[in-house]
Amino acid sequence: DGGITQSPKYLFRKEGQNVTLSCEQNLNHDAMYWYRQDPGQGLRLIYYSQIVNDFQKGDIAEGYSVSREKKESFPLTVTSAQKNPTAFYLCASSLSKTRHTDTQYFGPGTRLTVL
Amino acid sequence: QKEVEQNSGPLSVPEGAIASLNCTYSDRGSQSFFWYRQYSGKSPELIMSIYSNGDKEDGRFTAQLNKASQYVSLLIRDSQPSDSATYLCAVSRLRAGSYQLTFGKGTKLSVIP
Repeated sequence: DGGITQSPKYLFRKEGQNVTLSCEQNLNHDAMYWYRQDPGQGLRLIYYSQIVNDFQKGDIAEGYSVSREKKESFPLTVTSAQKNPTAFYLCASSLSKTRHTDTQYFGPGTRLTVL
Repeated sequence: QKEVEQNSGPLSVPEGAIASLNCTYSDRGSQSFFWYRQYSGKSPELIMSIYSNGDKEDGRFTAQLNKASQYVSLLIRDSQPSDSATYLCAVSRLRAGSYQLTFGKGTKLSVIP
C-alpha cells in the first residue's frame, strides 16, 4: 500500500525546544517537499529535495532544517529560532521536479502547537 | 499582485447545482495547473490537473484553462454535500532549475442540502 506517512499527527513544543517531524514515502519518488499552512492561508514552501543528500531552501526556510539521507525519508526539524512555529505541516512528494506535469501528493500532516 | 489569487468565499450552492471556482495567476511562464480539495483538518488531495488551454473533464469535475487571460477554473456539476471543502488552486512554474508549486489561499465551498 503506497503512500506518504507523517508522524506524529499532533505535536506540542515548549518554547526553546527543537522538534523533528517525520516524513516517509514508499512511492519511489525522487522529490520531496515540506510546506507550512496557517489558518486561512495557502501552503508555503519551507524546503525541498530533488535527490538524496541534496536539498534547497524554499520561501520560508528560516528557523527550519532538513536532511535527506535516504530516498524514502525527509525529516523536518523546527528549531528554537523559528519564532512562530504553530501551524499545520505538510510533507509532499513527486516523481521528480524536472517535469512540469509531475504531481505532488501529500501526507496526512502534523499539527504543531507551541505551548 | 499576488502570484495566485482565489476568492476566499465562502461560496454557497444548493445541492445539485453547479459550483464554479476561479483562480488567476500572475506568471505567464506557468505551465501546469492543479486543483486540490482540502477537508477541514485534513491534507490536500488532488482533484484535477490541466496543462493545455481548454476544458478537461473527469466525472463531475471540469477544469478550464485560458493562458491568455491567466485564468483557471474548476466546475463541479451536481454538487453534493460531500463536496463541501476548501479548494486550493496551485500553479507550477520553473524556479531555480526545478518546477515548484505556488498555492492560492483557497476557496471554501459549502453545498447546502
